[in-house]
Amino acid sequence: SQTIHQWPATLVQPVGSPLSLECTVEGTSNPNLYWYRQAAGRGLQLLFYSVGIGQISSEVPQNLSASRPQDRQFILSSKKLLLSDSGFYLCAWSRTENSPLHFGNGTRLTVT
Amino acid sequence: GQNIDQPTEMTATEGAIVQINCTYQTSGFNGLFWYQQHAGEAPTFLSYNVLDGLEEKGRFSSFLSRSKGYSYLLLKELQMKDSASYLCAVVDSNYQLIWGAGTKLIIKP
Repeated sequence: SQTIHQWPATLVQPVGSPLSLECTVEGTSNPNLYWYRQAAGRGLQLLFYSVGIGQISSEVPQNLSASRPQDRQFILSSKKLLLSDSGFYLCAWSRTENSPLHFGNGTRLTVT
Repeated sequence: GQNIDQPTEMTATEGAIVQINCTYQTSGFNGLFWYQQHAGEAPTFLSYNVLDGLEEKGRFSSFLSRSKGYSYLLLKELQMKDSASYLCAVVDSNYQLIWGAGTKLIIKP
């Protein structure tokens, strides 16, 4: 069966510090991968998605970036965090573009 | 623009039935998803509709009318653990997933 791992679960970082969130998927090959952010009480905002190694599409211009160094690994990064980067970050995978998304457990990021 | 509307919050009684509506205006349609999200947790997949009609999965059913741009999620025999947010999401003609803001369902004993 397929599983998705996302870490860390919680993170408190000062403004201006770097960020690296990692996500890996097991049990499937060539998945579509996604990074979402959810502000408190709000809907899901797509940040990045990838259909293959090295292929990253950005949905929202911001100080975040994503990379896919391996088929089942997706990394979200920032060089300098802003207060507005606080939120619940979710990694997800799907088989195709109209298949269900399967989410990791999420990372709750607080920028202080 | 593309838009999905869901009620912000609903309240129901344990053991009862509740219907959560979702209306959408999107550029094309390639399917509609319902997800459940408990507070502080990630969403989990509930159902998928791409053709008109009713899909039943145990206590949960989802209905779709493409001509009306309308779907609902029906929850029967409500349990306290069903207290959660329910998210409606539509796949548009470019295979982009458009999300609603979610409906917070409160179950009272």
